Amino acid sequence: AQSVTQPDIHITVSEGASLELRCNYSYGATPYLFWYVQSPGQGLQLLLKYFSGDTLVQGIKGFEAEFKRSQSSFNLRKPSVHWSDAAEYFCAVGAKIQGAQKLVFGQGTRLTINP
Amino acid sequence: NAGVTQTPKFRILKIGQSMTLQCTQDMNHNYMYWYRQDPGMGLKLIYYSVGAGITDKGEVPNGYNVSRSTTEDFPLRLELAAPSQTSVYFCASRVIGTGAPSSGYTFGSGTRLTVV
Repeated sequence: AQSVTQPDIHITVSEGASLELRCNYSYGATPYLFWYVQSPGQGLQLLLKYFSGDTLVQGIKGFEAEFKRSQSSFNLRKPSVHWSDAAEYFCAVGAKIQGAQKLVFGQGTRLTINP
Repeated sequence: NAGVTQTPKFRILKIGQSMTLQCTQDMNHNYMYWYRQDPGMGLKLIYYSVGAGITDKGEVPNGYNVSRSTTEDFPLRLELAAPSQTSVYFCASRVIGTGAPSSGYTFGSGTRLTVV
């Protein structure tokens, strides 16, 4: 079955430090992969997506993610975090399930930034 | 271009009451989805629709109903509200053409529902 695992429920980093959020997926075909960010009380904002081509994907707000087929991973990175990056981050896989395209989400990783 | 609009933004229901969460998109997207978000659980698919007149169950459909009479609207109905339905509900849409996916998913801003 299709699934997405985000191993880290909560991560705390210092402002200016680098960040990597992990995401592993399970899907038999070529995956379409997404990272979304959700600020408290807000909706979901698309950070970046991978459909095909270059496995290193650039997104908004200085984020990037790398698709590694051999590891079934799509980890999100940022070289230097800002206090405004504190939010919840969701990895998702777009999969064809029972004949229809659907988005399957991971459990989310809550990011806290220390000043 | 408003995207995906959800109403209301907040609602408190008593157990056993019913209500409809509204979702409208103006992008002529064929696919529409309803998700619920619970703390630590990510988003779970409730129902989806691949076009007007066609709906199907997602992962957690119990206690909900949907309809899709037009391309633009995809309301979610709760008939007998229960505390377990306290959650944040998100509507989403996308256009799917032939071959590769034609667009990403566009999400509404959510409806926060509390059942007491």
